[in-house]
Amino acid sequence: DAKTTQPPSMDCAEGRAANLPCNHSTISGNEYVYWYRQIHSQGPQYIIHGLKNNETNEMASLIITEDRKSSTLILPHATLRDTAVYYCIALDTGRRALTFGSGTRLQVQP
Amino acid sequence: GAVVSQHPSWVICKSGTSVKIECRSLDFQATTMFWYRQFPKQSLMLMATSNEGSKATYEQGVEKDKFLINHASLTLSTLTVTSAHPEDSSFYICSARDMDRRGYTFGSGTRLTVV
Repeated sequence: DAKTTQPPSMDCAEGRAANLPCNHSTISGNEYVYWYRQIHSQGPQYIIHGLKNNETNEMASLIITEDRKSSTLILPHATLRDTAVYYCIALDTGRRALTFGSGTRLQVQP
Repeated sequence: GAVVSQHPSWVICKSGTSVKIECRSLDFQATTMFWYRQFPKQSLMLMATSNEGSKATYEQGVEKDKFLINHASLTLSTLTVTSAHPEDSSFYICSARDMDRRGYTFGSGTRLTVV
């Protein structure tokens, strides 16, 4: 699986958009980009995933660069409940498991 | 959406006893489930891959005789921590892959404390 690099921490003001970057410069053509988040003492929560095209759902948007070497997760209107560790994972989905790095600790400030 | 139920959410046991953790996929069939362990302030570490009807595949450094995994049906995998010791105290999380949605769904985790 391609290695991903994320900043260790970020702050965001409540109500503003949170833009979380992820670098995956060695990603291969059949690897998806997954985003999960983990709120303290809970299991990870699925946010979004994509292959090439930008994706949007009720939680977030995923912007993948044309060369697929990086992506950005956008939470359009961050709330205090979005405070969590966010994980970006590149994976060729077969029967393999998600491998978690250190993630980005997002702190939403009131 | 896909739901994975994990039980119990927390357990306290004495050293030397065994503890069983259950992981169920509620609205989909999961031929493959995964077990993770997470220590405080650390990321999730994959312990093993559980395959329905066959033996689990353990990650390097994980003792298969200590962490027994059974995946007897398409909706249930269990992790048994045998002869638990205080150093086994951790947050254990299961995950299942929903083949139709191409997603991985996680249980809510089990906080194990061995005293």
